[in-house]
Amino acid sequence: EAQVTQNPRYLITVTGKKLTVTCSQNMNHEYMSWYRQDPGLGLRQIYYSMNVEVTDKGDVPEGYKVSRKEKRNFPLILESPSPNQTSLYFCASSLKRRPQETQYFGPGTRLLVL
Amino acid sequence: GQSLEQPSEVTAVEGAIVQINCTYQTSGFYGLSWYQQHDGGAPTFLSYNALDGLEETGRFSSFLSRSDSYGYLLLQELQMKDSASYFCAVRPTDFNKFYFGSGTKLNVKP
Repeated sequence: EAQVTQNPRYLITVTGKKLTVTCSQNMNHEYMSWYRQDPGLGLRQIYYSMNVEVTDKGDVPEGYKVSRKEKRNFPLILESPSPNQTSLYFCASSLKRRPQETQYFGPGTRLLVL
Repeated sequence: GQSLEQPSEVTAVEGAIVQINCTYQTSGFYGLSWYQQHDGGAPTFLSYNALDGLEETGRFSSFLSRSDSYGYLLLQELQMKDSASYFCAVRPTDFNKFYFGSGTKLNVKP
């Protein structure tokens, strides 16, 4: 089954404790992306990757890191989480060729930073 | 920056037709996309307009007018399961980023 998976689905942590949210897709998509969703703000892009070893900042990259060592995986790293990073996070993937508009989203990771 | 405006909430009755508007301010983009998100779920792709005009996919249609900086999603024969949030999105031609509207919560009542 074609899908994007994320782990963990729910996470409660404390300020400053490094964490990683994993994302994996099995559709051989070049483009992968991380979003955060907050009430009233829609989806805001954190980072994206056009292909292996190619990553770039989205609109809200502060406090986050990503890596793309393999085509299928795109982990999101919070080196020192803060309460304002409490949010719902989605990973998404799509084909690179235009229109690369159809994004497939993972189930989401709900993060609470205390 | 990029800006996409949507109404925050719309209510309609089962069987009716509803239109969800999206107005945007962006210099140039490839196309306008629409996504549906049920409570507790992930966004799922609904429709995409690369060109001006109407695109129809079953009960859902989407429209784009670049000259008016405007698009809409039209849902016909509303069903209770259509109760969800709907987001418009664009990717500007000078970026590889995506921008989403803040979403419209559709409430379908019996």
